[in-house]
Amino acid sequence: GENVEQHPSTLSVQEGDSAVIKCTYSDSASNYFPWYKQELGKRPQLIIDIRSNVGEKKDQRIAVTLNKTAKHFSLHITETQPEDSAVYFCAASARNSGNTPLVFGKGTRLSVIA
Amino acid sequence: GAVVSQHPSRVICKSGTSVKIECRSLDFQATTMFWYRQFPKQSLMLMATSNEGSKATYEQGVEKDKFLINHASLTLSTLTVTSAHPEDSSFYICSARDPSGSTDTQYFGPGTRLTVL
Repeated sequence: GENVEQHPSTLSVQEGDSAVIKCTYSDSASNYFPWYKQELGKRPQLIIDIRSNVGEKKDQRIAVTLNKTAKHFSLHITETQPEDSAVYFCAASARNSGNTPLVFGKGTRLSVIA
Repeated sequence: GAVVSQHPSRVICKSGTSVKIECRSLDFQATTMFWYRQFPKQSLMLMATSNEGSKATYEQGVEKDKFLINHASLTLSTLTVTSAHPEDSSFYICSARDPSGSTDTQYFGPGTRLTVL
C-alpha cells in the first residue's frame, strides 16, 4: 500500500519568510496530492491540491510542486503570517472509482514568529 | 464546497459503554465515507472505508467487532465504538468525496472528541 513520508515534523520561520514542507510517496499509482491545514481541535481544511498531470500549482501565497519521477511533492508558503501557524498534512491517493482513501503524512507543525 | 457534519462533537463516557458517532453529507450523496482516528499531536490514521449498502472495509489492526460501521443511506454513516476503554479516547473524523464533483476533494467532518473515563 501507499506510504507517505513528510518532513520536517516541526518548522519555525520568521514572519515574512518562506516555508517549505516536503513529502515523498511510494505508490506510483497515486495521482492526487492534497495538502491540508489543521488548527488545534478542528477539522483538516484543504488548502491546495495537485494532480499528477501537473507539475506545479499556485494559489496566492501557496504553491505546490510535484515530481512524479522522484515521487515527491512540496508545499511552499511565501510571505508567511502568524495565522499560517498550524499543522500541515500532505496526502496521496490513487483515483479510481472515488473510493480510494487518502494516506496522510505525519504532519508538520509550522510556527510563524511575529 | 461540500459540507460534512458529525455528531456529537464531544462525548465523555464511562469505560464499558458504547458510543455512536454520526457522519452526514449535507448537500451531496456519498456512496463512500472514510473514518479516521487522530491521537494528540499525531496524524490521521484511516480506520475503515464505509460503503453504502455493503460491509465496511477495515484497515489492518482495526477490530471490526469493536468499531461497528453502518452506512445505511447515501448521506449517513455511523461509527459505534463498543465497550469503550480509555485507550479508545481520541479524535474521530469522517470524510467523504462528492462523486458528482469534478475534483477529488475529500471533505472532512468537524470531528468527534471521545473521552473514555
